[in-house]
Amino acid sequence: NAGVMQNPRHLVRRRGQEARLRCSPMKGHSHVYWYRQLPEEGLKFMVYLQKENIIDESGMPKERFSAEFPKEGPSILRIQQVVRGDSAAYFCASSPYNDRRTGELFFGEGSRLTVL
Amino acid sequence: AQSVTQPDIHITVSEGASLELRCNYSYGATPYLFWYVQSPGQGLQLLLKYFSGDTLVQGIKGFEAEFKRSQSSFNLRKPSVHWSDAAEYFCAVGAMDSSYKLIFGSGTRLLVRP
Repeated sequence: NAGVMQNPRHLVRRRGQEARLRCSPMKGHSHVYWYRQLPEEGLKFMVYLQKENIIDESGMPKERFSAEFPKEGPSILRIQQVVRGDSAAYFCASSPYNDRRTGELFFGEGSRLTVL
Repeated sequence: AQSVTQPDIHITVSEGASLELRCNYSYGATPYLFWYVQSPGQGLQLLLKYFSGDTLVQGIKGFEAEFKRSQSSFNLRKPSVHWSDAAEYFCAVGAMDSSYKLIFGSGTRLLVRP
């Protein structure tokens, strides 16, 4: 049973370009979370999605960032017109159901974005 | 708002020594608490979790944590540290809104002296 798969693992972009990060959740998981980890900091929640729905985007910057989780295919985190401050590790996590009794999230290995 | 505080940014211990990593949370009701470990360049792996019941929770790799409501703490312990335990450790609390997202502390980096 494959874990949460993220790609690319490393991505380099110049200022102003677009970055697309993909996440395939574990098989059978329909809940996806995106987190951002800035250098020397903890993980900050960005967005929570279910298939075809954004449930909670309270952690997403208001501009340039968007996320989707289509009916078919991986979840995608899109960053338009990247700036140096977007350089970070972006982690995806999945869960089989939205249940506080378990609450455990299964994390991918992250996508590390470097903006030159 | 819920929050998690890990007061120690770095901790260094000698191999074979005992370890305690501190975690304090802010939440009014019974929280759902987690400890994750992150090795360099890797994702996060769950060490243990607490939902209810016995306040002493056993996890993987010989780790345990104790929930103390009176102190709003969920400290992680290990009786004898191995060099392979060197990593970043994150405490997290489960949000009680409809997303059930995890709110993480800023982490504690563990260094192990040979």
